[in-house]
Amino acid sequence: SQQGEEDPQALSIQEGENATMNCSYKTSINNLQWYRQNSGRGLVHLILIRSNEREKHSGRLRVTLDTSKKSSSLLITASRAADTASYFCATGEISSGNTGKLIFGQGTTLQVKP
Amino acid sequence: NAGVTQTPKFRVLKTGQSMTLLCAQDMNHEYMYWYRQDPGMGLRLIHYSVGEGTTAKGEVPDGYNVSRLKKQNFLLGLESAAPSQTSVYFCASSYPRQFVQPQHFGDGTRLSIL
Repeated sequence: SQQGEEDPQALSIQEGENATMNCSYKTSINNLQWYRQNSGRGLVHLILIRSNEREKHSGRLRVTLDTSKKSSSLLITASRAADTASYFCATGEISSGNTGKLIFGQGTTLQVKP
Repeated sequence: NAGVTQTPKFRVLKTGQSMTLLCAQDMNHEYMYWYRQDPGMGLRLIHYSVGEGTTAKGEVPDGYNVSRLKKQNFLLGLESAAPSQTSVYFCASSYPRQFVQPQHFGDGTRLSIL
């Protein structure tokens, strides 16, 4: 079963605007990760946030995690056409132990118009 | 350094045929995973391995078998292909450490079952 539900399913913005994507999950986790997938390619890791962290930054990316609400958000600031891709959240459940297993959400498709 | 390599990239099978998908990684990763990606479903874990000679079932294992005879290779087999197995298959790997590590993905195998 899918763990994460992402919102919105699709997002279209102009270059230079900010893009925010949200992810909700159901179980207890020890980490949450965000990945990007360009059309026809594999997933690329963007950022990892552990359950004891609330916010993390990487370049133009900002991720927040609220374990009390079981939700996370990914903010991409000053978006570029090259940011056009699908974005997935993935959670590492505590029950998975030391297997590294992740459960992926359904993804948000982001289109950045030049 | 190729990372994660999947072969073949595309394949068309007839119902009932068998085939093997190969995943090779050159990063000395212990953990390897096979996912399938279907439209609107995100990624679902088929099987995974936490080390050479070990395999375990994921979320959707039925109709698939796997083998991890060498640390760098993870094979996914379809014994008798069915149209429901038409999908894009992704392999990923990661390295276990004290803290969770991101997964590295191949570019996928696009499989059509007629």
